[in-house]
Amino acid sequence: RKEVEQDPGPFNVPEGATVAFNCTYSNSASQSFFWYRQDCRKEPKLLMSVYSSGNEDGRFTAQLNRASQYISLLIRDSKLSDSATYLCVVNFYNQGGKLIFGQGTELSVKP
Amino acid sequence: GAVVSQHPSWVICKSGTSVKIECRSLDFQATTMFWYRQFPKQSLMLMATSNEGSKATYEQGVEKDKFLINHASLTLSTLTVTSAHPEDSSFYICSARDLEGYSTDTQYFGPGTRLTVL
Repeated sequence: RKEVEQDPGPFNVPEGATVAFNCTYSNSASQSFFWYRQDCRKEPKLLMSVYSSGNEDGRFTAQLNRASQYISLLIRDSKLSDSATYLCVVNFYNQGGKLIFGQGTELSVKP
Repeated sequence: GAVVSQHPSWVICKSGTSVKIECRSLDFQATTMFWYRQFPKQSLMLMATSNEGSKATYEQGVEKDKFLINHASLTLSTLTVTSAHPEDSSFYICSARDLEGYSTDTQYFGPGTRLTVL
């Protein structure tokens, strides 16, 4: 089983749609969780951290369920500029603080 | 702030040559830097953790004699791909963890180096 798993997609949605990405992780000792965004042929950029209580940043909402070892990202009112690959990332504290990346979910927002 | 640079941004070389990639933290000090590799349509895979003043820690399956890492200062880590072959062609990305942010998880990523071995 992969340490961090995501649905690879691609997700093809129209502008204005709401889209949700899911992610599961295998290591219950994981302490920190993130969503990164990666554009084609670019480095990943931090979109948001994910906290136990869930958190929201504009059109983006992240949720964490520790009991189920599950993380989600919700994007509302999708924009063309949201087209990218979204990476679920987990920090495994018991492995020296390494970031483990999921394989990414590709999103394509169409006009 | 928190800018990480990589040099070169892209490189094309012949099979059998060695390629050095530099990763610099421009406005902060980093005791720890990480080297990742990303093949097309795949996610980032951690290759090694580079610690200033000590030997790098390599992930399982990564040959330490092929991928030489040197972290000589708090702002510079280098990755040398020795005797590169076409299968080493990939996108190499470094990240740096802020010294002051050791208790946090903040890593700042460089823009990546695209290596093509002919």
